[in-house]
Amino acid sequence: GQQLNQSPQSMFIQEGEDVSMNCTSSSIFNTWLWYKQDPGEGPVLLIALYKAGELTSNGRLTAQFGITRKDSFLNISASIPSDVGIYFCAGFTTSGTYKYIFGTGTRLKVLA
Amino acid sequence: SAVISQKPSRDICQRGTSLTIQCQVDSQVTMMFWYRQQPGQSLTLIATANQGSEATYESGFVIDKFPISRPNLTFSTLTVSNMSPEDSSIYLCSVEGGSGANVLTFGAGSRLTVL
Repeated sequence: GQQLNQSPQSMFIQEGEDVSMNCTSSSIFNTWLWYKQDPGEGPVLLIALYKAGELTSNGRLTAQFGITRKDSFLNISASIPSDVGIYFCAGFTTSGTYKYIFGTGTRLKVLA
Repeated sequence: SAVISQKPSRDICQRGTSLTIQCQVDSQVTMMFWYRQQPGQSLTLIATANQGSEATYESGFVIDKFPISRPNLTFSTLTVSNMSPEDSSIYLCSVEGGSGANVLTFGAGSRLTVL
């Protein structure tokens, strides 16, 4: 099925460092979403973005909806060990069909 | 946001058998989505299930292999039929709604291992 390209695929960082990941698509989306998945759990919503250019924060997390509506990024500041997990972007579209499409995921590991 | 309960949470199945996954939501929802997450992979949409109509399947997924029921606005089932080891995955039920419009809330998933 269709997927969004997410990078990096994985990253190891030191506790306290900032993290940046992005998501790109060849298609336009109406909404961009960022999720975190812990082992044995379903994805949990972190941030939702609804307008091109929108910049939204949730605690140490900041995400932006790209101007072209084809990309988005997520930043995590001052990482802590519990930030470990897999981060997925997702795009929502009603073009053609009504669906949510997920990115390939970024696996984050934080070294204490 | 909606609370989703999935059963079973995990199972080990024999090749050639079928297993039905149940998804119960604590509120009425119009659209329910079933996703598959293969080991170490992202989420791939299997089908969208609306109450009172046939499920809409994505390319690569067919009703004979993944029959879906949606008898009411709070419940759905996904059956994985005639399983093979390639069907070993996490199957996730999700609904729209939660913290804002156009967002999905997920159940914890059902982890199937096919021997």
